[in-house]
Amino acid sequence: AQSVAQPEDQVNVAEGNPLTVKCTYSVSGNPYLFWYVQYPNRGLQFLLKYITGDNLVKGSYGFEAEFNKSQTSFHLKKPSALVSDSALYFCAVFQGGSYIPTFGRGTSLIVHP
Amino acid sequence: DSGVTQTPKHLITATGQRVTLRCSPRSGDLSVYWYQQSLDQGLQFLIQYYNGEERAKGNILERFSAQQFPDLHSELNLSSLELGDSALYFCASSFGQSQNEKLFFGSGTQLSVL
Repeated sequence: AQSVAQPEDQVNVAEGNPLTVKCTYSVSGNPYLFWYVQYPNRGLQFLLKYITGDNLVKGSYGFEAEFNKSQTSFHLKKPSALVSDSALYFCAVFQGGSYIPTFGRGTSLIVHP
Repeated sequence: DSGVTQTPKHLITATGQRVTLRCSPRSGDLSVYWYQQSLDQGLQFLIQYYNGEERAKGNILERFSAQQFPDLHSELNLSSLELGDSALYFCASSFGQSQNEKLFFGSGTQLSVL
């Protein structure tokens, strides 16, 4: 079975500081990993994905994510947080052979002015 | 704007009732997914259709059913509603059905069962 874990329900960071939102996965075969963001009263929006290749993936709004196979992690990062980055962030994984993504429970990111 | 339209945005109903949620996918997308989002369960996959055919089922209750019509819009029917069915229901679409594809989500239907 495929699974993805987001160990933190909430992450607090000051504006201008770097941010990290954690995600670990457990799949058989090669993982296909995604990050989505959900702003209040909106649906999820795609941020970035890792399929293969470079372990550092760049996405929308200045976000990037680092794939680490040995640690089975796919953490979302941004060098300098903005108050407008405050939202709910979801990690998602496809296991090899399945085309239905499994989403983590989400991490609420709060960026303080 | 994702291009995925869900109606209604809000729905308030009573236990035992039946409701229909509607989704219009992005123009050109053939695949529609339904998800249920609640505080205790997170984002749960319910069911997926591709070009009118059911392709995958997740944690969908027998009281729930869905279909995708020839014009590719989809409806999720929830019957014999219980308090615990109160949740945000999302529809998402993609062109195909592969692991490379990102999903485009609608803004959701907030269902409140009283």
